[in-house]
This record gives sequence, C-alpha cells and structure tokens, in this order.
Amino acid sequence: AQSVAQPEDQVNVAEGNPLTVKCTYSVSGNPYLFWYVQYPNRGLQFLLKYITGDNLVKGSYGFEAEFNKSQTSFHLKKPSALVSDSALYFCAVRSYSSASKIIFGSGTRLSIRP
Amino acid sequence: NAGVTQTPKFRILKIGQSMTLQCTQDMNHNYMYWYRQDPGMGLKLIYYSVGAGITDKGEVPNGYNVSRSTTEDFPLRLELAAPSQTSVYFCASRGQGSDEQYFGPGTRLTVT
Repeated sequence: AQSVAQPEDQVNVAEGNPLTVKCTYSVSGNPYLFWYVQYPNRGLQFLLKYITGDNLVKGSYGFEAEFNKSQTSFHLKKPSALVSDSALYFCAVRSYSSASKIIFGSGTRLSIRP
Repeated sequence: NAGVTQTPKFRILKIGQSMTLQCTQDMNHNYMYWYRQDPGMGLKLIYYSVGAGITDKGEVPNGYNVSRSTTEDFPLRLELAAPSQTSVYFCASRGQGSDEQYFGPGTRLTVT
C-alpha cells in the first residue's frame, strides 16, 4: 500500500529566509510524487511533480523539490520565502502501477512572518 | 473554461437525510475523484472514476455512492447522513497522460 507522511503540522519561517517542508513516502516500485498548495477556502493547486530524471524539480511560484530515493523523501524548498507563500501544503504519491489512485499526506501549514 | 465546478458550496443536513453533491468538469478529463478533507487529516480518497461508466472505491467509501454516466459529471451521493460525514468535500479531475489534478472549490457539509 502507498502512503505519505508529512511530519510537521506547521512550519514557521521569516520572510526572506529559506524554507523546507518535509515529506516522506512509501510505495511499491517507482514513485510518482507531487506537491499541491491550498489557500484559504480554495481547492488545491498543483505546484510540481517528480516522475523520473533529475532529482531536483522546479515548479510554480519559485518552489522546488528534491527527490531522495535512499531516504524515500521529497522535500519542498524555496530559497527565499514570501509572506504570500503562507498556505497549506500537501505532498502526494502514486505508484507507477496504480495510475488512478493518488494518496495525499495530512498537510503542513506554512506561515511566513514579515 | 470553468474548470471543475461543485455545488452547493455549503449545506447543513440532519442525521438520516440524503443529498447529492454535484461535480462537473469541462476539460474532457477521463479521471475524476472525490476527496474529503478533515482538519489535520489531509485528503482522503472516497471514490474515483477512470471514465464514463467506470467507478471504483478509494480509501473511505462507506456511506457514499457515485455514478459516472457522462464524462463531465461525477455526482457523490450520501444516502443516510451521519455526523461523521461532516467535512469539506473536494472533486478533482485529470486528463489522460497527465498527473496534474484540477480541484473544485469544495463543498462544506455539516451533519447535525
């Protein structure tokens, strides 16, 4: 069975500092990994994905994520945080063999203080 | 394109009542999904569909039913509402060959 863990309920960062939101996964075979963002009272929006290739993937709004196979992690990063990055972030995974079912983590609330 | 639309935005049900949450997408996507979002629990997959006439259970299907008679519509039915079904419900879709899911704005349901 596939699963995703986001170990931090909340991450607090000062504006201009780098940020990291952690995600670890468990899946049979090669993973397909995703990050989504949710702003208040809105549905989720796609940020980026890792399928294969370069371990560092770049996405929307200056975010990037690093895939680490040995640690089964897919951490979301940004070099310099903005107040407008404050939102709820979800990591998600599916396996190559299970094209239909995507499993989401519990979410991490990112708070950027001015 | 409107994307994924959901109705209603809010609903309060009494225990034992039934209702249908509507979901429509205008992107000709094959895949459609229903999730529920509970505080601190992330999104749980209720049901999904890979095309018209085909549906399958997700992680938490009990108490719900779905149908997919057209590509565009994927309604979610609650037959006997229970307080445990109080949640925010999201519908999503994605196209064949794409992994990006498009989400609707959600329906906030309260069962009292």
